[in-house]
Amino acid sequence: ETGVTQTPRHLVMGMTNKKSLKCEQHLGHNAMYWYKQSAKKPLELMFVYSLEERVENNSVPSRFSPECPNSSHLFLHLHTLQPEDSALYLCASSQDLGESRNQPQHFGDGTRLSIL
Amino acid sequence: QKEVEQNSGPLSVPEGAIASLNCTYSDRGSQSFFWYRQYSGKSPELIMFIYSNGDKEDGRFTAQLNKASQYVSLLIRDSQPSDSATYLCAGDFSGGYNKLIFGAGTRLAVHP
Repeated sequence: ETGVTQTPRHLVMGMTNKKSLKCEQHLGHNAMYWYKQSAKKPLELMFVYSLEERVENNSVPSRFSPECPNSSHLFLHLHTLQPEDSALYLCASSQDLGESRNQPQHFGDGTRLSIL
Repeated sequence: QKEVEQNSGPLSVPEGAIASLNCTYSDRGSQSFFWYRQYSGKSPELIMFIYSNGDKEDGRFTAQLNKASQYVSLLIRDSQPSDSATYLCAGDFSGGYNKLIFGAGTRLAVHP
């Protein structure tokens, strides 16, 4: 396996369900990111982790709960989501934080989430 | 509020033509800019980055940055149908913390 892998690729859940999105990177990177991509809207940065420590929480509602158990894995735990949370959730990684031109972000293919 | 603006398109160009994709930004403090290509249902893929005024060329792609006008562009020469995708412009406004602000993307359609 290479790059950034996200599972599942598609997820349909009810508003009362609890589910988790998983991201795994095989690049030896130390920084990982969660983004939300809604239709016709820009990618929105949600969370940033560096060496398993959260360094950014971009005003994300508490119904989204990230977890980074090690530098290769990142989870997004979902609970009591709303219909407007339906979107593509993308994970990315970079070697480290720092000057972005030296630390390009590599993206996974995303999880397409639909809230019923 | 830092913003990156792109025309959503679609931008339609014939095969072999030059496609010109444009992006403007609102923060003069931004240092680095990135162009990503995203095929439908796939991950954004980094094409180029630029941080100095002027042009930067890589194969059929040329990125242009004009900091005075707060303008970034991507030129694709000899456009191919396989270039049909959404192109995302992003700027790093975070002063070295690798936090990208993305535009909504421009959809490019290259027709034979």
